Amino acid sequence: NAGVTQTPKFQVLKTGQSMTLQCAQDMNHNSMYWYRQDPGMGLRLIYYSASEGTTDKGEVPNGYNVSRLNKREFSLRLESAAPSQTSVYFCASSFPPGPTDTQYFGPGTRLTVL
Amino acid sequence: SQQGEEDPQALSIQEGENATMNCSYKTSINNLQWYRQNSGRGLVHLILIRSNEREKHSGRLRVTLDTSKKSSSLLITASRAADTASYFCATDPYNNNDMRFGAGTRLTVKP
Repeated sequence: NAGVTQTPKFQVLKTGQSMTLQCAQDMNHNSMYWYRQDPGMGLRLIYYSASEGTTDKGEVPNGYNVSRLNKREFSLRLESAAPSQTSVYFCASSFPPGPTDTQYFGPGTRLTVL
Repeated sequence: SQQGEEDPQALSIQEGENATMNCSYKTSINNLQWYRQNSGRGLVHLILIRSNEREKHSGRLRVTLDTSKKSSSLLITASRAADTASYFCATDPYNNNDMRFGAGTRLTVKP
């Protein structure tokens, strides 16, 4: 099993450009998540999808959109990138139901917005 | 806003010593988890402790939870250079899917 995979690994954008970060998991997990990690801030939840067909906002959703394409794939879109969105983005998945479940993380996408 | 706060922000010890990291949080929780992150990598789950548990062990890891003080500690015994990483606590103040992470403790274990 590959676990959680993310593409691309690195990306540089200019302000105003758009892009989609891709995430896929092969563990048959129901829930998927997108986080961003900034220096000294820990991880902050952007959006999550508790099950196929549903998405919910997390702590910092502004400037982002998501699509749960199917059970395996969860994408994050930046419609008009801003320098404040420079960060490392992590996708994760977990297999509820149950108490807060262990999340399995991808390797991350390092995004720089100039 | 961040739910958990780890203390200290950075910790440097010699191989073989024990490392203790603390996490404080603000609101009631169902569970608390600890994760490790090696430089440039994703997070890896270490251990989960439920709100009705006070202590849990996993190999060289010992986690305690004091819900009255809203705090948890992670002890790594007999540390190794390979334990060098950042350690994060995560809690679920809202629901199972909305976990909040602290800013982490950066642990350096010198050989």
